[in-house]
Amino acid sequence: AQKITQTQPGMFVQEKEAVTLDCTYDTSDQSYGLFWYKQPSSGEMIFLIYQGSYDEQNATEGRYSLNFQKARKSANLVISASQLGDSAMYFCAMREGINTGTASKLTFGTGTRLQVTL
Amino acid sequence: DTEVTQTPKHLVMGMTNKKSLKCEQHMGHRAMYWYKQKAKKPPELMFVYSYEKLSINESVPSRFSPECPNSSLLNLHLHALQPEDSALYLCASSPRGRTPLHFGNGTRLTVT
Repeated sequence: AQKITQTQPGMFVQEKEAVTLDCTYDTSDQSYGLFWYKQPSSGEMIFLIYQGSYDEQNATEGRYSLNFQKARKSANLVISASQLGDSAMYFCAMREGINTGTASKLTFGTGTRLQVTL
Repeated sequence: DTEVTQTPKHLVMGMTNKKSLKCEQHMGHRAMYWYKQKAKKPPELMFVYSYEKLSINESVPSRFSPECPNSSLLNLHLHALQPEDSALYLCASSPRGRTPLHFGNGTRLTVT
């Protein structure tokens, strides 16, 4: 079963508008972390924002915020005031068992390609 | 600039060649990862090293051989690859736990 689901293969947004990228996840762990990464066409994976399963407040980092709804198992990324440079692939990802003593793997969703238009 | 350095940036190799990908980080991270990413797909985990020991192998074919000589360095040795192994290979590191993985810029591998 898919652990991370991103249902929007592609999204368009006008410059200066806000956009929400959807992400739902599936886990039986109590302790997990949710991450969003941006991947421009050049290929590097850029970390954007993190939400821990026990965090009560939604995470924010500059123009990025994470709308975390634990009961619904969703962790949507909101980008405010979109810029042309935001055009990229966006991946939602999850690390389970993050309080264990071993390195835990990061599992990615299928991604959403965002295009910012003038 | 990324704090995880991968070399080479691009690699073209024949199916009978032996080559190695290199990854280096100096952030003191004790977990290091290899991911493979095909075009228009998400990265897929290949290997995880924790404290220089292999902790996760995602059933990767033996033509891919990882090595972690020290806490800063991670290699991926390639031998007898197939054209379908052509992909972007991403290295990452992290402290363990709830912190993000820091990725390198990747090596674009083409197998001819």
